[in-house]
Amino acid sequence: EVQLVESGGGLIQPGGSLRLSCAASGFTFSGYWMHWVRQAPGQGLVWVSYINSDGSDTSYADSVKGRFTISRDNTKNTLYLQMKTLRVEDTAVYYCARGSEAWSGELWVWGQGTLVAVSS
Amino acid sequence: EIVLTQSPGTLSLSPGERATLSCWASQSISNNFLAWYQQTPGQAPRLLIYAASSRTTGITDRFSGSGSGTDFTLTISRLEPEDSAVYYCQQYGSSPLTFGGGTKVEIK
Repeated sequence: EVQLVESGGGLIQPGGSLRLSCAASGFTFSGYWMHWVRQAPGQGLVWVSYINSDGSDTSYADSVKGRFTISRDNTKNTLYLQMKTLRVEDTAVYYCARGSEAWSGELWVWGQGTLVAVSS
Repeated sequence: EIVLTQSPGTLSLSPGERATLSCWASQSISNNFLAWYQQTPGQAPRLLIYAASSRTTGITDRFSGSGSGTDFTLTISRLEPEDSAVYYCQQYGSSPLTFGGGTKVEIK
């Protein structure tokens, strides 16, 4: 069964840092582009970042550029999102999602999400 | 950045009726790279339609997508209670990827 399981969320003070992880199973992780998408409470979906299959190409939404870093460890079948200088407006459920084997931005498989709450 | 506008915000229909959801783009979407997702409360989104009109494996043929350029539609024929959800369009023709604000479908 294809599965993505996020972890690492929690309550953090403004200005703090957090690293999210997404453990993949049931497919050849190293062959797929991966994404992070977030959803603030009661709000819509917002794309955050993507990384290509070997980690050599990344992209970020303007709202997180310079603060967030996406990475992956294909030996551990794990995707990461390092978040620094967190703001209250970063509060959201963060989903990891699997893209395609070649570039295409449809999000075929989603994790259940992990909640990040930024508050003092 | 391509802005996607979804209409209506909420749609309230009875079982068996047809739902028509619209998604307008601020500029033409390359290769009609437009997807539709369904999100039920407390759940992650699920991909229904990609490339504007291709249905994902396992999705009932009651869901269909159409459109091109800047004007796209998701149609749900013969609504069933389990179709109650928020539906989002997403474009992936250019970076950054963007989502519409969503249409909530309520079943009376």
